[in-house]
Amino acid sequence: NAGVTQTPKFRILKIGQSMTLQCTQDMNHNYMYWYRQDPGMGLKLIYYSVGAGITDKGEVPNGYNVSRSTTEDFPLRLELAAPSQTSVYFCASSPTFGVNYGYTFGSGTRLTVV
Amino acid sequence: DAKTTQPTSMDCAEGRAANLPCNHSTISGNEYVYWYRQIHSQGPQYIIHGLKNNETNEMASLIITEDRKSSTLILPHATLRDTAVYYCIVRVAFSAHAGKSTFGDGTTLTVKP
Repeated sequence: NAGVTQTPKFRILKIGQSMTLQCTQDMNHNYMYWYRQDPGMGLKLIYYSVGAGITDKGEVPNGYNVSRSTTEDFPLRLELAAPSQTSVYFCASSPTFGVNYGYTFGSGTRLTVV
Repeated sequence: DAKTTQPTSMDCAEGRAANLPCNHSTISGNEYVYWYRQIHSQGPQYIIHGLKNNETNEMASLIITEDRKSSTLILPHATLRDTAVYYCIVRVAFSAHAGKSTFGDGTTLTVKP
């Protein structure tokens, strides 16, 4: 049971490049989320999904896209990377009606846009 | 989801109890209080949650006021390894959009020798 796995762990992008941050979970959780964390700040919700085929915007969705074709995977797409997207990105998951369980977070992807 | 307010930072002596407050005055009746912590730059780790009763597990205790407008996370015997950022969030558990929770900036707890 690996939990939530994020790849890559580190990445440097040039301005205008695109990339996909991968997130996969093996706990059969229906809910998945993407957060970003800027240096010294809290987490901000980018997008979330309540199940395969269903996604919705969070607080800071501009510049990002997501898809959820399977329960396990929730990739985050950055189009036309900008320096403002330099951040640590965390993926998380939780059960649908799991009152007794909080979020399980991945270890993060550290992205630098130069 | 209701928003929360936490102090920016707190210090605690090693071996003493650390009491971290959280204000959630706009909490709804179906929202739970969850606490997480983030050590260094790792992903946040779940600590504890509660609805209206006090809760205790192997990591911490959670005290929720009777009106549910505030809560306190208690680490009974803080160690240096408890130095971290602690987040208090409120979350609707039984909803199609139960996942849409926001994290504030949290409280940076520094445990000192």
